[in-house]
Amino acid sequence: GQNIDQPTEMTATEGAIVQINCTYQTSGFNGLFWYQQHAGEAPTFLSYNVLDGLEEKGRFSSFLSRSKGYSYLLLKELQMKDSASYLCATWGAAGNKLTFGGGTRVLVKP
Amino acid sequence: GAVVSQHPSRVICKSGTSVKIECRSLDFQATTMFWYRQFPKQSLMLMATSNEGSKATYEQGVEKDKFLINHASLTLSTLTVTSAHPEDSSFYICSARDARNTEAFFGQGTRLTVV
Repeated sequence: GQNIDQPTEMTATEGAIVQINCTYQTSGFNGLFWYQQHAGEAPTFLSYNVLDGLEEKGRFSSFLSRSKGYSYLLLKELQMKDSASYLCATWGAAGNKLTFGGGTRVLVKP
Repeated sequence: GAVVSQHPSRVICKSGTSVKIECRSLDFQATTMFWYRQFPKQSLMLMATSNEGSKATYEQGVEKDKFLINHASLTLSTLTVTSAHPEDSSFYICSARDARNTEAFFGQGTRLTVV
């Protein structure tokens, strides 16, 4: 099976940096995703990591350590529109199942 | 990225009726489609995985006779909620992937309200 943990909520100030951690235990691993989801909308793709290391994409960066079963999503220069839920998800063995963590609600305050 | 179209976006139905939700991959062939359900302030819970031309694989606790999934073609999967009850009210989201792409692309979601 797959078990994915991430914090429930985080609050940060506009312009600041926030790091959302995700730990996972899976019976097979074929990559880790981060998605952003605004209330009432479908998730939108942010990043995909399959090898160890940091992937940077604009204000968002994602890190993966497969040996530690650990990833984080780093949001820089926070904007009010970044207030959303951030979902960590992993592909299981053979990529036949995408399982989500509970999601982290990020609130950006002025 | 690839486009997945989900229809309808919102539906209200009476208790005891059935509702069909469609999920189409518009510019790629979806060998695998996933159906999720999401209750307010909760994450996406995988209901079932379907591969084209074969029976869906349901997650533990999901009633296969209540949530009928059909994946008859490489571009279309449907989820039918049979004999819907108010507790079935939720946000249902499909996602699709093709054989070459590791990413799963999401539909827009369907807000189901059973009254």
